[in-house]
Amino acid sequence: DTEVTQTPKHLVMGMTNKKSLKCEQHMGHRAMYWYKQKAKKPPELMFVYSYEKLSINESVPSRFSPECPNSSLLNLHLHALQPEDSALYLCASSQRDLPAQYGYTFGSGTRLTVV
Amino acid sequence: GQNIDQPTEMTATEGAIVQINCTYQTSGFNGLFWYQQHAGEAPTFLSYNVLDGLEEKGRFSSFLSRSKGYSYLLLKELQMKDSASYLCAVNPAGTALIFGKGTTLSVSS
Repeated sequence: DTEVTQTPKHLVMGMTNKKSLKCEQHMGHRAMYWYKQKAKKPPELMFVYSYEKLSINESVPSRFSPECPNSSLLNLHLHALQPEDSALYLCASSQRDLPAQYGYTFGSGTRLTVV
Repeated sequence: GQNIDQPTEMTATEGAIVQINCTYQTSGFNGLFWYQQHAGEAPTFLSYNVLDGLEEKGRFSSFLSRSKGYSYLLLKELQMKDSASYLCAVNPAGTALIFGKGTTLSVSS
């Protein structure tokens, strides 16, 4: 298995809703990442997990809450989001916390719309 | 701070060769990556350079000069399916990739 699987692919949520994004990989990668990408912009790093521990939080608002229950799973819990949080949320993994020569493997993303 | 620069847009015709440049100024350097991203899809890995020189992989080649903080991605025998955004990314010496703004390449027939 050489894939990163993200669910759901699309999500529409209201500003008072609570929802979660899921990411799963079975490549034995010990580093996992959340990126946010707005239209026609590059991916922006949000969080990094290394060996199931949060190692980087790029000053992300607390309405985004990451969780890494085990080495294969990464969640992003969403609460009280704003319309400007609408974006493509990308999960990625790599062999360890220093990206190896094959870089990251990205999931196909969750297209989030906040209404 | 970290700064990665690429041209915003480029156009080319089928069968041609195009070179996409990337310059970077980062706090550290542990490799430079090129990714391809089609609209609405995830980025896919194209190449990795950590030492100076040229890496060739089929129709794609990537070059790195660490002393100049410069890289380029060379695409040969362009095809319509090569129309995409090309992202230059640097690992500044930590645990995550930082991406440039991307270059949108349009290939016409």
